This record gives sequence, structure tokens and C-alpha cells, in this order.
Amino acid sequence: LAKTTQPISMDSYEGQEVNITCSHNNIATNDYITWYQQFPSQGPRFIIQGYKTKVTNEVASLFIPADRKSSTLSLPRVSLSDTAVYYCLVGGAFNKFYFGSGTKLNVKP
Amino acid sequence: NAGVTQTPKFQVLKTGQSMTLQCAQDMNHNSMYWYRQDPGMGLRLIYYSASEGTTDKGEVPNGYNVSRLNKREFSLRLESAAPSQTSVYFCASSENRGSQIPQYFGPGTRLTVL
Repeated sequence: LAKTTQPISMDSYEGQEVNITCSHNNIATNDYITWYQQFPSQGPRFIIQGYKTKVTNEVASLFIPADRKSSTLSLPRVSLSDTAVYYCLVGGAFNKFYFGSGTKLNVKP
Repeated sequence: NAGVTQTPKFQVLKTGQSMTLQCAQDMNHNSMYWYRQDPGMGLRLIYYSASEGTTDKGEVPNGYNVSRLNKREFSLRLESAAPSQTSVYFCASSENRGSQIPQYFGPGTRLTVL
């Protein structure tokens, strides 16, 4: 199971683009990279997932370099409501999922 | 569509008491999971059920038992609660097994063991 490393916290201001990087040096060939968002007192919510290169949806973009040993979640033009903890999850067929401690993003006005 | 529901929302137990946390999903998902989240920490997998009729241990199974009652319901039982089990418990489900399959989480149960 590929463990992940993320910054503990990040600060940003409204309207800025935020990039959160996750390191996963031991990622396996079949592993996908998934990002979840968690607000206080709520369960995590799926944001985006990818295997390689770039994935974009209405919420975020996910950039994965060719070696796949890291990934970057990009949140365009954040607002106060994006203040949350963001988890990077790496795993394949049916690993025992490891969420890690996540990155606490604090968006300021 | 309620998604994933959990009961109760809050519970206070005394050391040694037992209780069952209930979880149900209405998305016709095959796989279900129980996690715990301690203050300031990430989620840790307690048990999971890849499909109806199967269960397996996760990262921190000691002190817990689970039952996959049917496709919709997955319960977590604490036979003899301990203060170390004070935590927020999340149930989740996914269409099938595999971390590449998005999981959908319930609102959580806040458990305090005195």
C-alpha cells in the first residue's frame, strides 16, 4: 500500500489558485490517485481521481507527472467555502485504504 | 436518495458497555466500510465488506466486530467499550471494491467512552 505525504496546512486568499501536492513514492502500477475533501463535522467527499497526466472536472484539476510519484490537486479561484481538509489517497484493486492526515486549507478573505 | 445514513449521531458510553453503530446506504452499492477518525487525524479503516456476505479486517480492527446484514446495511459493534475507542466513526459505501472507486461517506457518529 502506497503511503502518502502531504503538507499539514496551507493558507490562501479568496480568488487565488491553490495547489496541494501529495508525494507517493511507492505507488504501484495499478494504483489510482484519489482526492477527498472534508469539512468539519462531516464525512469526506470525493473530489477527483486520476491515473496519469491531467484530469479536470467542475471542481478541480489533478496533475500527475509521468513517474506518478507525486500528484497535485489544483483548486482554481478558491473561496471561503473551500476551507477544509484535503486527503490524497493512493491505492489499487482492493488495498486497505490509507487516508493520512490530510492538508488543512485555510482560505482567508 | 438519502445516500449513507448512520445512527446514532452521538453516543456516550461507560467503559465496558456495548453498543452497535448502524449504517445503511440506498445507492445499491456492493462495498461498505467503517472508519474511525481521532481528533486532528486522518481516517483509519476498521473493517470493510467487499460484497454482501463478506467482511474483512482493516488497519485497526481490534475491539470491534461487524455484520453485513444485507446489501444495504453494515453494522459496527463494540463489545466492551474502552476510552481509547472515543472517536468519530464514519461509514462509507462504494459501487464495488477498489480504492479507484469513489466512496460515499455518512455524516458520522461521535462516540465518547468515559
